[in-house]
Amino acid sequence: SSELTQDPAVSVALGQTVRITCQGDSLRNYYASWYQQKPGQAPVVVIYGRNNRPSGIPDRFSGSSSGSTASLTITGAQAEDEADYYCNSRDSSGPVVFGGGTKLTVL
Amino acid sequence: QLQLQESGPGLVKPSETLSLTCNVSGDSIKSNNYYWGWIRQPPGKGLEWIGSLYYSGDTYYNPSLKSRVTISVDTSTNQFSLRLISVTAADTALYYCARHTSIGFTSGSYASWFDPWGQGTLVTVSS
Repeated sequence: SSELTQDPAVSVALGQTVRITCQGDSLRNYYASWYQQKPGQAPVVVIYGRNNRPSGIPDRFSGSSSGSTASLTITGAQAEDEADYYCNSRDSSGPVVFGGGTKLTVL
Repeated sequence: QLQLQESGPGLVKPSETLSLTCNVSGDSIKSNNYYWGWIRQPPGKGLEWIGSLYYSGDTYYNPSLKSRVTISVDTSTNQFSLRLISVTAADTALYYCARHTSIGFTSGSYASWFDPWGQGTLVTVSS
């Protein structure tokens, strides 16, 4: 079955760098996209494709990939980055999958 | 600016059919290279993709929901719709619609993402 695995929770000190990872076989052929979701709000894409940021997303957000693992890195985390983060990809046979989400706490 | 807005009943009885519509404004639903998708999120839980549709009618669904789901499009009103039959309490969720981009690269890699999203609509399944 198609699955994307994320750590349930990650914390980072204010101003430090944090990496959120996503593992799954589909990531060998599909770039992950990453979504930020704050309480009571719809998800917002922060990274898509190889390492693309939509307009309005700060450049402290970046994406990378190696083998079956994709990573979202926040360099210099800010208080407003505290949120749930989801990765997303497609399975080679077609279905779209989301990771279970990572709750990021900024200390 | 592209905007999506979900609409439909907020309460559905068990065993009945959930029907939602997503209104697309700011761009044509017939734009090339874009699919249109539905995603849901049960209260306090993660995101689950339901299915995606191309304006021509080409659709693909989450295998776990495929037997109960139909996504359709009305190009005359620039809307697409979700129909989920035989609902249970497990279908209680916030339902989002979103534009779905899925492209391939010459390197043999692919990318798929959802942007933008509607604000979501809560559907509760209860008698």
